[in-house]
Amino acid sequence: DSGVTQTPKHLITATGQRVTLRCSPRSGDLSVYWYQQSLDQGLQFLIQYYNGEERAKGNILERFSAQQFPDLHSELNLSSLELGDSALYFCASSVDGGARNTEAFFGQGTRLTVV
Amino acid sequence: ILNVEQSPQSLHVQEGDSTNFTCSFPSSNFYALHWYRWETAKSPEALFVMTLNGDEKKKGRISATLNTKEGYSYLYIKGSQPEDSATYLCAFYSGGGADGLTFGKGTHLIIQP
Repeated sequence: DSGVTQTPKHLITATGQRVTLRCSPRSGDLSVYWYQQSLDQGLQFLIQYYNGEERAKGNILERFSAQQFPDLHSELNLSSLELGDSALYFCASSVDGGARNTEAFFGQGTRLTVV
Repeated sequence: ILNVEQSPQSLHVQEGDSTNFTCSFPSSNFYALHWYRWETAKSPEALFVMTLNGDEKKKGRISATLNTKEGYSYLYIKGSQPEDSATYLCAFYSGGGADGLTFGKGTHLIIQP
């Protein structure tokens, strides 16, 4: 158990809808990262929050947004969903804001299926 | 766009044999190279974080080396066991504090009894 909790584990929704994925980081970790894994793709970095502030942005679509709350949990909001958004979404946390020498701890992921 | 390549894509190894696979990454703006082990239906789990050229790290039967000048890292598994079956991911961090990790697509390792 990594200590990172993601909910829900599975989500099935229709095109055009909006969903919210939730992540609780490991106790003491200030950084939360969101990654997307689509079929045949490696883990793609979406966005990072550090202590409540957006720290870095990767390949995140404009239809997607995230935030980190004062208690450090984070939510990833996906709107106007398309079939291609079906993927495994991972949250990871780490102690500090950089990935230089600190490992990231991953949650078990949310499997999103858009039908 | 950062390119992190892992080879081979998949590998079947007989139980008891040793094996190794490769991660290639850009040799410029190097900050760190991470290795993760990802078992089916579980979350990726960190094996090593390597930051210095020439680094060698070991955890049990698994070890890794790092060459930042030529942009590659090797992961070695000695005396493979069925529980080593997993996808092994490497991830590159180019630094600046402004990016997440760039992952390769992984090497899918299957240990055959």
